[in-house]
Amino acid sequence: NAGVMQNPRHLVRRRGQEARLRCSPMKGHSHVYWYRQLPEEGLKFMVYLQKENIIDESGMPKERFSAEFPKEGPSILRIQQVVRGDSAAYFCASSVQKIQNIQYFGAGTRLSVL
Amino acid sequence: TQLLEQSPQFLSIQEGENLTVYCNSSSVFSSLQWYRQEPGEGPVLLVTVVTGGEVKKLKRLTFQFGDARKDSSLHITAAQPGDTGLYLCAGLKETSGSRLTFGEGTQLTVNP
Repeated sequence: NAGVMQNPRHLVRRRGQEARLRCSPMKGHSHVYWYRQLPEEGLKFMVYLQKENIIDESGMPKERFSAEFPKEGPSILRIQQVVRGDSAAYFCASSVQKIQNIQYFGAGTRLSVL
Repeated sequence: TQLLEQSPQFLSIQEGENLTVYCNSSSVFSSLQWYRQEPGEGPVLLVTVVTGGEVKKLKRLTFQFGDARKDSSLHITAAQPGDTGLYLCAGLKETSGSRLTFGEGTQLTVNP
């Protein structure tokens, strides 16, 4: 039973480019969460999605960031026109909502903006 | 203001020593989870505590949830170098939907 899969593990972008981060939840999990870990800071919630629906995006920056979880395929976190301050580790977690909402995390994508 | 305060922030001890990490808040949580994170990896779930006063043991690790569900502790007995890592507590509030609120972590180093 594979865990939460994130790719790529490392992503380098130049300022102004787009970054696309992918997350495949654990088998049987239909709830996906994205968190960001800035250098020397704790993990901060960004967005919570179910299939084809954004449930809670209260932690998402208002501009340049978007997320989706289509009916088929992985969840995507998209960052347009990246800036150096976007450099961070982005983690995806998934859960089966019924069981105390225990969230299992992927290994993360390390985004570096040059 | 950090909703979940972890202490200490850094801890360096010798193999065989005991230690306790604390996670405190003024808010009530419906559940609290402890994770361990290695460099370059994602957080790995250690335990979830749900009931006030609950105590859970995982080999040499003992987790406790405060009676009022506002705080938690992690106690490690006879620490080993393999325990080295970043320990994170994360709480789930009934008023915050499904998003976890993380503490900033305790970086533990166990020296051989």
